Amino acid sequence: QQPVQSPQAVILREGEDAVINCSSSKALYSVHWYRQKHGEAPVFLMILLKGGEQKGHDKISASFNEKKQQSSLYLTASQLSYSGTYFCGTDSMGSSNTGKLIFGQGTTLQVKP
Amino acid sequence: EAGVAQSPRYKIIEKRQSVAFWCNPISGHATLYWYQQILGQGPKLLIQFQNNGVVDDSQLPKDRFSAERLKGVDSTLKIQPAKLEDSAVYLCASSSIRDAEDTQYFGPGTRLTVL
Repeated sequence: QQPVQSPQAVILREGEDAVINCSSSKALYSVHWYRQKHGEAPVFLMILLKGGEQKGHDKISASFNEKKQQSSLYLTASQLSYSGTYFCGTDSMGSSNTGKLIFGQGTTLQVKP
Repeated sequence: EAGVAQSPRYKIIEKRQSVAFWCNPISGHATLYWYQQILGQGPKLLIQFQNNGVVDDSQLPKDRFSAERLKGVDSTLKIQPAKLEDSAVYLCASSSIRDAEDTQYFGPGTRLTVL
């Protein structure tokens, strides 16, 4: 079952904040977040494992609510370089990482000067 | 550390022709994945290898797609014969079994256009 991301698209000014949500109908073991720029490979941002609620580095952080089967990605004080499409990938097979990620449909983020 | 390498970067073929893609994972990464990414969608897992064994190929259309990973390093993905709906970017990713978080690192992809 593909996770659902929201919003589908967001436009920001530099310095503004954004939240991207990822919801699954299945119990999750882990959530992986990637950013993909046009014509390029997805770049790993962070992973949240079952039992770990929040992670972050610099101005990008994420949370994982196991009970709600949801994860959120927080982008604060956005920069032009944050533009791209953000994907969450979920691993819901059993009690350990299997690597079999199912990706959401993506959220397109555009940061304007 | 070199990343995941893929070739070719672009390929244009006619329908019913065959095509092959090559992937070289990050050195030491035992797990290799092939994904299909259709324009405007997230990547979809086609096949997962661990060393030279198939872990999961449940999403691979086996009537036309095949993949192998001889010697547990490089991998090739083949489509024969290609259909119009196979137009997509084919991404290869790899991960290390020593990494408890199983982070997957993606290559630049091969953009396939089937005419």
